[in-house]
Amino acid sequence: GENVEQHPSTLSVQEGDSAVIKCTYSDSASNYFPWYKQELGKGPQLIIDIRSNVGEKKDQRIAVTLNKTAKHFSLHITETQPEDSAVYFCAGYSGSARQLTFGSGTQLTVLP
Amino acid sequence: NAGVTQTPKFRVLKTGQSMTLLCAQDMNHEYMYWYRQDPGMGLRLIHYSVGEGTTAKGEVPDGYNVSRLKKQNFLLGLESAAPSQTSVYFCASSYPPSTTEAFFGQGTRLTVV
Repeated sequence: GENVEQHPSTLSVQEGDSAVIKCTYSDSASNYFPWYKQELGKGPQLIIDIRSNVGEKKDQRIAVTLNKTAKHFSLHITETQPEDSAVYFCAGYSGSARQLTFGSGTQLTVLP
Repeated sequence: NAGVTQTPKFRVLKTGQSMTLLCAQDMNHEYMYWYRQDPGMGLRLIHYSVGEGTTAKGEVPDGYNVSRLKKQNFLLGLESAAPSQTSVYFCASSYPPSTTEAFFGQGTRLTVV
């Protein structure tokens, strides 16, 4: 089945700086890659996603890039703010397996 | 619009006891999932369902059973709870691959003593 690895496990940045979180996946049949943000005591919420026919997608301060050949995708957050502090999860979805497999998470801390 | 609702939110069990976690969604989603979240291990898939009356095993199914008798409900059962099942459990639902965003519930924190 799919295996998704995520790095780093913790990331601290100064407010206003950029943050990058990277993930790799193993199943070449995976075609959908969402990113979720989880705030303390809450369930994960989708913040951005990308499908395998697209190389990059942006939504205001958030962007995701996908390299299908290398089987890796990344989350980029620019101009970070304290409210960006949370745990971020990447995931890969294989239509054939119909499973959504998550990475191990990144605790992002934005320092004021 | 309630989305995905999990019941209960907190529970303490003694080793060997049984319980059922209920997940209900009001978005007419076909797919439903049960995950467990442990520190440093992300979200691991326990069981999932791609439609009413269907269930399938995920990555960590041992010690759990599920049922999907109604489209809107997905039940997770622990027949004989063990301390290793202490975790936070999340339910999620989504449409099939054409629209695949998964919506999560608020979680159930289960402690087995």
